[in-house]
Amino acid sequence: KNQVEQSPQSLIILEGKNCTLQCNYTVSPFSNLRWYKQDTGRGPVSLTIMTFSENTKSNGRYTATLDADTKQSSLHITASQLSDSASYICVAFSWGKFQFGAGTQVVVTP
Amino acid sequence: DVKVTQSSRYLVKRTGEKVFLECVQDMDHENMFWYRQDPGLGLRLIYFSYDVKMKEKGDIPEGYSVSREKKERFSLILESASTNQTSMYLCASSFTGQSTDTQYFGPGTRLTVL
Repeated sequence: KNQVEQSPQSLIILEGKNCTLQCNYTVSPFSNLRWYKQDTGRGPVSLTIMTFSENTKSNGRYTATLDADTKQSSLHITASQLSDSASYICVAFSWGKFQFGAGTQVVVTP
Repeated sequence: DVKVTQSSRYLVKRTGEKVFLECVQDMDHENMFWYRQDPGLGLRLIYFSYDVKMKEKGDIPEGYSVSREKKERFSLILESASTNQTSMYLCASSFTGQSTDTQYFGPGTRLTVL
């Protein structure tokens, strides 16, 4: 069973709207969590990284939150743009290993 | 800007062929990684290397080998390709082995084994 679960698997949103992606992890002990954006046909690109002591981190219109007690993270996209269409991957680091979620596919429509 | 390049974007091979996937990074990074990415699954680590001529097995090393003769180049070898190795292969590099280091990924090689 994957130790990093993401939801939803996919979502469609209208340009200009906000959306929130969820990530639940079970890895222990937990060191840090990062979010990547992967455009179609490209490799993942890092958006944010948070250690267990951080609650929130922003990168432009992307804001990640972390609750280490409940082992949940979210990625909020504000005022979505067509270029936000991509897969968003949550990654937890534990015991020297990166555990990757399967990703949430986001499609932004005009 | 860090650049990680992979030798091919698309590759089609026959079962039993030996396949070489090349990865080059231009930022003097110590660590390099090979992952495969399949639909519905997260990225899975095949091998990584923390120095020239050094390698460590990842989670799914069976059927693969690697070579790192120069710091900037990390090769993934499929000794005898099989259809279940059809996948997207991603190379990544990072400056050190620290967990907070950013991993920089290449564009990927989509391999199809017929």
